[in-house]
Amino acid sequence: SYVLTQPPSVSVAPGQTARITCGGNNIGSKSVHWYQQKPGQAPVLVVYDDSDRPSGIPERFSGSNSGNTATLTISRVEAGDEADYYCQVWDSSSDHQVFGGGTKLTVL
Amino acid sequence: QLQLQESGPGLVKPSETLSLTCTVSGGSISSSSYYWGWIRQPPGKGLEWIGSIYYSGSTYYNPSLKSRVTISVDTSKNQFSLKLSSVTAADTAVYYCASIAVAGTGWFDPWGQGTLVTVSS
Repeated sequence: SYVLTQPPSVSVAPGQTARITCGGNNIGSKSVHWYQQKPGQAPVLVVYDDSDRPSGIPERFSGSNSGNTATLTISRVEAGDEADYYCQVWDSSSDHQVFGGGTKLTVL
Repeated sequence: QLQLQESGPGLVKPSETLSLTCTVSGGSISSSSYYWGWIRQPPGKGLEWIGSIYYSGSTYYNPSLKSRVTISVDTSKNQFSLKLSSVTAADTAVYYCASIAVAGTGWFDPWGQGTLVTVSS
């Protein structure tokens, strides 16, 4: 089965740029989606199809995907961005959905 | 705008069957535009896809749970349901339902608020 690997934690100072990676075999050939989950809340889609943003998501959230790594980039990080972030793909070869293990973003 | 809401018992005994329902509002569960999915999250852990269903009844299950999972649709009530049999403490989790746009590439949006199910005697 397809596996997505995320770093357990990323730390960044306010105003700086956070980059959260999601590794997978030839993930560049798949569409990657990203979710933000704050404590006690349901996940919220922040990026879909590698780099598109749903309405209402700030432009500070962006994504890229190439080779074996997809990246969620959060520019000008704010305290309110502190959350867990998950990547996800649909593995079309098996019709299965796959989530990464999640990354805890800490704003210093 | 689609909204989803999970419901069901918050406590299930070991070896019994967990049953949850997701009620869809703001759209029809019979729409050809959506799949419907279940995801769970054990306390302090990450997200795990359980399975998905199309209104026609086609289902897709996580291989690790397939032998114990049944997902079904009730078009008359605009609901879809999850049954997980032979539960153990490892099935204790927050269970979420979510929609998946058929025209998309499999992203989940929106999600229900989630419901905590504890497996304990």
